[in-house]
Amino acid sequence: AQSVTQPDIHITVSEGASLELRCNYSYGATPYLFWYVQSPGQGLQLLLKYFSGDTLVQGIKGFEAEFKRSQSSFNLRKPSVHWSDAAEYFCAVGSMDSNYQLIWGAGTKLIIKP
Amino acid sequence: DVKVTQSSRYLVKRTGEKVFLECVQDMDHENMFWYRQDPGLGLRLIYFSYDVKMKEKGDIPEGYSVSREKKERFSLILESASTNQTSMYLCASRYQGASNQPQHFGDGTRLSIL
Repeated sequence: AQSVTQPDIHITVSEGASLELRCNYSYGATPYLFWYVQSPGQGLQLLLKYFSGDTLVQGIKGFEAEFKRSQSSFNLRKPSVHWSDAAEYFCAVGSMDSNYQLIWGAGTKLIIKP
Repeated sequence: DVKVTQSSRYLVKRTGEKVFLECVQDMDHENMFWYRQDPGLGLRLIYFSYDVKMKEKGDIPEGYSVSREKKERFSLILESASTNQTSMYLCASRYQGASNQPQHFGDGTRLSIL
């Protein structure tokens, strides 16, 4: 079955520290991968996406993610977090065969310690 | 920038009422989606629409219907609201021209059914 797993429900990081949010997927077709961020009370904003080519993709707000096919992972990273990064982060997977639909992870809530 | 506008940020209705949630996008996107979001469950697809007057059931369509009479507008209807439909509802739209196009989200409607 197709699925997306974000193993961490919550992550707490000190301001200025590095961040890695994990995303693992199980998908039969060649995946397209997305990371979205949701600030409290807001909709989802696209951070970055991977379709093909360079497996390290850069996104907005200083985020990057690396696609590792052998590990079925697409982890999100940021070298130094800011208090404004506190939000919920969602990983999603789609493909040419997915009929326009995305499969979503349950989300990881990022808490920033001052 | 894509603009997806949901008509209400907060809505309070009573059990048994017929509830309409409206979503409008300004980018001539073919595809539109309605999700509900509940803590720990991520995003669950209720209905989506390929194009005008076309609709497909998502993962949790029971108790909901949709209408897409114009390309820019996608309405979600709760036929007879129940307390278990209290949730955050998110609308998204997407350009159909390539299957790897991301979805763009509105700010959400937080619906409470009393």
